[in-house]
Amino acid sequence: DIQMTQSPSSLSASVGDRVIITCRAGHRISNYLNWYQQKPGKAPKLLISAASSLQSGVPSRFSGGGSETDFTLTITGLQSEDFGTYYCQQTYSAPEVTFGGGTKVEIK
Amino acid sequence: EVQLVQSGAEVKKPGESLKISCKGFGYSFSTYWIAWVRQMPGKGLEWMGIIYPGDSDTRYSPSFQGQVTISADKSISTAYLQWSGLKASDSAMYYCARQQYKSGIGWFDPWGQGTLVTVSS
Repeated sequence: DIQMTQSPSSLSASVGDRVIITCRAGHRISNYLNWYQQKPGKAPKLLISAASSLQSGVPSRFSGGGSETDFTLTITGLQSEDFGTYYCQQTYSAPEVTFGGGTKVEIK
Repeated sequence: EVQLVQSGAEVKKPGESLKISCKGFGYSFSTYWIAWVRQMPGKGLEWMGIIYPGDSDTRYSPSFQGQVTISADKSISTAYLQWSGLKASDSAMYYCARQQYKSGIGWFDPWGQGTLVTVSS
């Protein structure tokens, strides 16, 4: 299976900061990469598909980039409601897929 | 509105069997893969397996092969995840999710609300 490695595993940032989360694939996956946000006690929510396609209703401060093995999720102008855990997911090998280990974002 | 609604929380004893469900609303259930995802307390997301309700084609993660059974009844738009002999280590939140595709690229959307399974003697 294709391993997905996220970093950092956690971070603490202030409102207004720019936050970058990285995800590295163990195999070239083109742009078959999605990002999810999960808040405590809730199901994950799709933020970005196909590496950079922002889902409808997701604030424009979220953006995704990268291709093949290295990807980023950027939050430009962190807001208090952006706390939670963020996961990347590869679907290159769909229907079998894998998730990254997650990045927990805390607001200072 | 497209949504997946999962069955309620379960409390079971080790060795017991269990079947939880995920019912789809607002779309053609037979034509989208449904995945199951485990989240152990305080941990990340683990893909368990996936089923295509149209023909019951099923794939499992090697980590879950032989440990669970995934099935679906397209006539009632429902997918299932079942265990024949629960262990304490099966205690977790379980999510179902629809796998959607565009231009060959897939993602999970929407997700069910989750079913909490607690296994304790």
